[in-house]
Amino acid sequence: KNEVEQSPQNLTAQEGEFITINCSYSVGISALHWLQQHPGGGIVSLFMLSSGKKKHGRLIATINIQEKHSSLHITASHPRDSAVYICAVDLNTGNQFYFGTGTSLTVIP
Amino acid sequence: NAGVMQNPRHLVRRRGQEARLRCSPVKGHSHVYWYRQLPEEGLKFMVYLQKENIIDESGMPKERFSAEFPKEGPSILRIQQVVRGDSAAYFCASSPLRPSLLHFGNGTRLTVT
Repeated sequence: KNEVEQSPQNLTAQEGEFITINCSYSVGISALHWLQQHPGGGIVSLFMLSSGKKKHGRLIATINIQEKHSSLHITASHPRDSAVYICAVDLNTGNQFYFGTGTSLTVIP
Repeated sequence: NAGVMQNPRHLVRRRGQEARLRCSPVKGHSHVYWYRQLPEEGLKFMVYLQKENIIDESGMPKERFSAEFPKEGPSILRIQQVVRGDSAAYFCASSPLRPSLLHFGNGTRLTVT
């Protein structure tokens, strides 16, 4: 069983649609990270959350610590948002990170 | 400000050779992490280092793999006697403290022939 589960695994959307990617985890965490990996392979950190909600441009990330769940929302999606979105958790015991398997998003013009 | 610099970008080694992967963190970042991404798989934690210290290497194979982050110079991930199964993308990230937003390098793609 993975400590971090993401859904959906694959997602295709029309340009302009509102997108939600979900992440559930089963361990105690000090922080949760959302990452974006583009087709070229480079990884960009989008957010680090330990509570509440963060917003950056068209991206919104929320976390519910009690329910061990986080969501990444993309408003007014655009083809350039096409990438793999990865959820990762920073444990509150030990030094490990656990990663979800990623959600592959394709936004069609 | 330069981001995390990894080199080489691509590395080809024959079975049995050694691979050395370098990572220069963002200036001022003292926390370095190495991750491996096998083909068609997700990222896996390998090792977490602070200057001159290995904090957690629980994700690293016990044999052939080692990592260091010396007082001066880049962090090095060293793989001895490479095998085909070591073929993967190896990413380095750095942060100024923990927990903190991670800054990733572009990765080193290792191919073992």
